Amino acid sequence: EPEVTQTPSHQVTQMGQEVILRCVPISNHLYFYWYRQILGQKVEFLVSFYNNEISEKSEIFDDQFSVERPDGSNFTLKIRSTKLEDSAMYFCASSSRSNTGELFFGEGSRLTVL
Amino acid sequence: AQSVSQHNHHVILSEAASLELGCNYSYGGTVNLFWYVQYPGQHLQLLLKYFSGDPLVKGIKGFEAEFIKSKFSFNLRKPSVQWSDTAEYFCAVNGYSSASKIIFGSGTRLSIRP
Repeated sequence: EPEVTQTPSHQVTQMGQEVILRCVPISNHLYFYWYRQILGQKVEFLVSFYNNEISEKSEIFDDQFSVERPDGSNFTLKIRSTKLEDSAMYFCASSSRSNTGELFFGEGSRLTVL
Repeated sequence: AQSVSQHNHHVILSEAASLELGCNYSYGGTVNLFWYVQYPGQHLQLLLKYFSGDPLVKGIKGFEAEFIKSKFSFNLRKPSVQWSDTAEYFCAVNGYSSASKIIFGSGTRLSIRP
């Protein structure tokens, strides 16, 4: 069964460092998403991406964040200068059609900022 | 504002007990509704979804949910839970015509006593 894969599974970084989280969505999907879940809190939407551009982003997704689909298979989330409060589980998701809404999630990348 | 409310943060049941997890949403227009499940250490998986038609939807592992439009509710039910149902359950919604995001509730942790 096709699945969304994410790397790394866990990354520890120092505050102020840049982090890149990588995702390989399901191959025939067209819509890509990043969500995050701070420990003990809800799953929060960060950004959606379609046709090589951001289609929607939340207030959390400020100038420190960026997304890219560099090579037609990977979908990356970059945090330029990490803060302590960026520590969370980051989930990538993809879907084939936006209006059905069904998202397929990866297993997540746990980011710990020290 | 768009939102999803899950009333129960932590539910503890014995095996074979019946389950009902509450979910209410606030969203203008036609919606798609979902329940996702996150087993310990695993990624989010779709349990069931409602797009249109019969408001009683059946999902995997014996779960079902009923969409009651007048109450803006989409409660999850299972007649007889098993220890393996121990997980976090997330209700989610998106607009039928939305190009992108799903909004998640805060989640309900379900613990089943063997």
